[in-house]
Amino acid sequence: DVKVTQSSRYLVKRTGEKVFLECVQDMDHENMFWYRQDPGLGLRLIYFSYDVKMKEKGDIPEGYSVSREKKERFSLILESASTNQTSMYLCASSLTGIAKNIQYFGAGTRLSVL
Amino acid sequence: AQTVTQSQPEMSVQEAETVTLSCTYDTSESDYYLFWYKQPPSRQMILVIRQEAYKQQNATENRFSVNFQKAAKSFSLKISDSQLGDAAMYFCAYCNTNAGKSTFGDGTTLTVKP
Repeated sequence: DVKVTQSSRYLVKRTGEKVFLECVQDMDHENMFWYRQDPGLGLRLIYFSYDVKMKEKGDIPEGYSVSREKKERFSLILESASTNQTSMYLCASSLTGIAKNIQYFGAGTRLSVL
Repeated sequence: AQTVTQSQPEMSVQEAETVTLSCTYDTSESDYYLFWYKQPPSRQMILVIRQEAYKQQNATENRFSVNFQKAAKSFSLKISDSQLGDAAMYFCAYCNTNAGKSTFGDGTTLTVKP
């Protein structure tokens, strides 16, 4: 089974802190994604990556950056956390090819910014 | 840009009964995938069912089936013989064949009553 692991289930940070959310997948997937999930807003794509060192902005990239130095790891960075970034963050990965586009999700990180 | 609309924020069903969750989408593409994902409370989101747009036959997975109406851009999920374990938030998602990234609806919370 594909495993997507997010480093923290719950995180509490202070306004202005630099925050790192880590995601690791163990199935050699090319594609990785970071979403934000808020009640009534569904999943909104922050950033995604098709390959190592490659990234593309999603629908709501402002206030976030990402890093993908290794194929299995995709990090989301909040340069200076703000209270409006309090949310559930989901990481996902997918293959390219025939089975592409099916996304496998991590358990999520619930971030509170105080 | 593609959009996905789930018009039912909440639904409930009696155990063993059948329920249908609605989803409509907007796209100018002819080749794409549609998905239903399930997010149980405090658990990882998983794929329920996938439909390729070029296939006329509706996808089925055990108790889960879809009604795919391409011309109407409608993609509903039918859950037969509902079980308590079906209680979750369900997300409809669209993915352009070449894009690799998905657009999600806002989700429908399904409650199953014993």
